[in-house]
Amino acid sequence: EIVMTQSPATLSVSPGERATLSCRASQSVSSNLAWYQQKPGQAPRLLIYGASTRATGIPARFSGSGSGTEFTLTISSLQSEDFAVYYCQQYEAFGGGTKVEIK
Amino acid sequence: QVQLVQSGAEVKKPGSSVKVSCKASGGTFSSYTISWVRQAPGQGLEWMGRIIPILGIANYAQKFQGRVTITADKSTSTAYMELSSLRSEDTAVYYCASGVSSWFNFDYWGQGTLVTVSS
Repeated sequence: EIVMTQSPATLSVSPGERATLSCRASQSVSSNLAWYQQKPGQAPRLLIYGASTRATGIPARFSGSGSGTEFTLTISSLQSEDFAVYYCQQYEAFGGGTKVEIK
Repeated sequence: QVQLVQSGAEVKKPGSSVKVSCKASGGTFSSYTISWVRQAPGQGLEWMGRIIPILGIANYAQKFQGRVTITADKSTSTAYMELSSLRSEDTAVYYCASGVSSWFNFDYWGQGTLVTVSS
């Protein structure tokens, strides 16, 4: 069973700054990694799949990288609407999430 | 684009069962997967299982084996998730999600269905 570990649990960032979120898999998952954004009271939204491909309608400030066991989601310049919880996912396993909050 | 609309909130007694529906529109129902993911209050996301309508095959997370059944009705483009032997720990929002870009991704999500298990 693959275990996905996200860090940090909480990230405090000022609007306009860059945010870097990490996700580690317990074993190699090639590039089969997706990222989701969830805001309070809403369903998750797919941001990135295949480790680096943005889903339809996702702004270019969101980018994903990595392969194997180490992955990164970068938000280049945080906007007010980006403060949310972010989850990584590989096949049936989700990470525990990273909450991006306003500093 | 796929739209998924789920059935409404449920309140159930411990030991009973619940069946949640997820009606899809847009795209070709048989060409993508439907997964069920749940989220307990204040917690993260937990995958429960998936059905591949074109094959009529479902697979389940080991944790839920024997307690969950996922089915799909191609004639109405509707998927169902039934969870039995409910306990208080099953109180959660249950989401259906479609795998379009890949059978293992969750491209589109339903609005969620709150299931409350309480005596």
